[in-house]
Formats: sequence, structure tokens, C-alpha cells
Amino acid sequence: AQKITQTQPGMFVQEKEAVTLDCTYDTSDQSYGLFWYKQPSSGEMIFLIYQGSYDEQNATEGRYSLNFQKARKSANLVISASQLGDSAMYFCAMRSSSGSARQLTFGSGTQLTVLP
Amino acid sequence: NAGVTQTPKFQVLKTGQSMTLQCAQDMNHNSMYWYRQDPGMGLRLIYYSASEGTTDKGEVPNGYNVSRLNKREFSLRLESAAPSQTSVYFCASSEASIPSEQFFGPGTRLTVL
Repeated sequence: AQKITQTQPGMFVQEKEAVTLDCTYDTSDQSYGLFWYKQPSSGEMIFLIYQGSYDEQNATEGRYSLNFQKARKSANLVISASQLGDSAMYFCAMRSSSGSARQLTFGSGTQLTVLP
Repeated sequence: NAGVTQTPKFQVLKTGQSMTLQCAQDMNHNSMYWYRQDPGMGLRLIYYSASEGTTDKGEVPNGYNVSRLNKREFSLRLESAAPSQTSVYFCASSEASIPSEQFFGPGTRLTVL
């Protein structure tokens, strides 16, 4: 069974600084995918970034990068140059490679607050 | 292109009442999902539909039924609502052949009294 662990219930960062949100995962699959989603206070789920288990390079999307360390089973999200609008809940998720659909297993989330 | 839409946005039920949450997507995706999100927790999968005509249980299916009406629509039914089903419900869709990204609807906030 897949499991995602986010050990930081809450994080604070000063505006314009970088912040790392931790995510570790557990799976016996060889092929899997890792996602990060942002959930602002308005409630919608916004896709940020994706990393496949066979991707050799770390994924980047603008100010977001995923620090993928396969041997450690970690997939930390790095946000550079934090902005006030980055204040939100952030979820790490993993896609199962087994089964007939691409199901996602989510972690419990990290609430990020960006301070002015 | 509306993406994934859900109705209603808010609903209050009394214990024992029934209701159906509607979800539709206009991206021609094969797979659709229903999740619930409880306070302080991530999303948990209730049911999913890999393709039109198929449905399967997820992590927390008890108390729910689903119908994949056609490729666009996937509904979630609560036959006899219980206070433990108070939650925010999200519908999502994905193109199963593409490994990245599920697209989420805006959510339905359900309260069962």
C-alpha cells in the first residue's frame, strides 16, 4: 500500500525567501509519480508540479522545483522567492501504477504562511 | 472550456436524507474520481471510474454509491446521510494514458446535521 508522509503541519517563511516543504513516500512499485498540489483558502486544488519515478532530472515549474531523492524516498517541494499569494495548504500526492486508473494517495498537508 | 464542474457548491442535509452530488468534465478524459477531504487531512479516494461503464471502490467507499452516466458525468450518491459524512467532496478527472495530473473540480461542502 502507498503512503505519503508530510511531517510539517505548518511552516512560516519571510516574503522573498525560499522554503522547502517535506514529503516522504512509501511504495513497492517501481513506476510511480509524485505530485504537489496547492489549496488556497478558497478551497480549489491547484496542480503545481509532477515528477515521474524514472525521470532523472528534478522537475521545475517556474518558482517551484521538486527535490527528488529516490533512494531516500523523498520528494520535497522548493518554492523560491516566496510571495504573499503562496500562503496556502500544500499537499504531496503519489500516483499508483497498479490498478485500472491513476489513483492518487495524498499526504495530510502543510499549511504555509508567507510573512510580509 | 469549463474543466471539471460540480453541483451543488454547498448542501446541508439531515441525518437519513439522501442526495446526489453531480460532476461533469469537458476534457474528454477517460478516468474520473470522487474524493472527500476532512479537516486537517488530505484527500481520500471514495470511488473511481477508470473508463465509461466501470467503477471501483477506493479507500473509503462505505455509505456511498456512484454512477458513471456517460464519459462526461460521474455522480456520487449518499443514500442515508450520516454526520460522519460531513466533509468537502472533490471530483477529479484524468486522461489515463497521460501519467501526470488530475484536474479537480471546485468542491462541494456538505454538512449533515
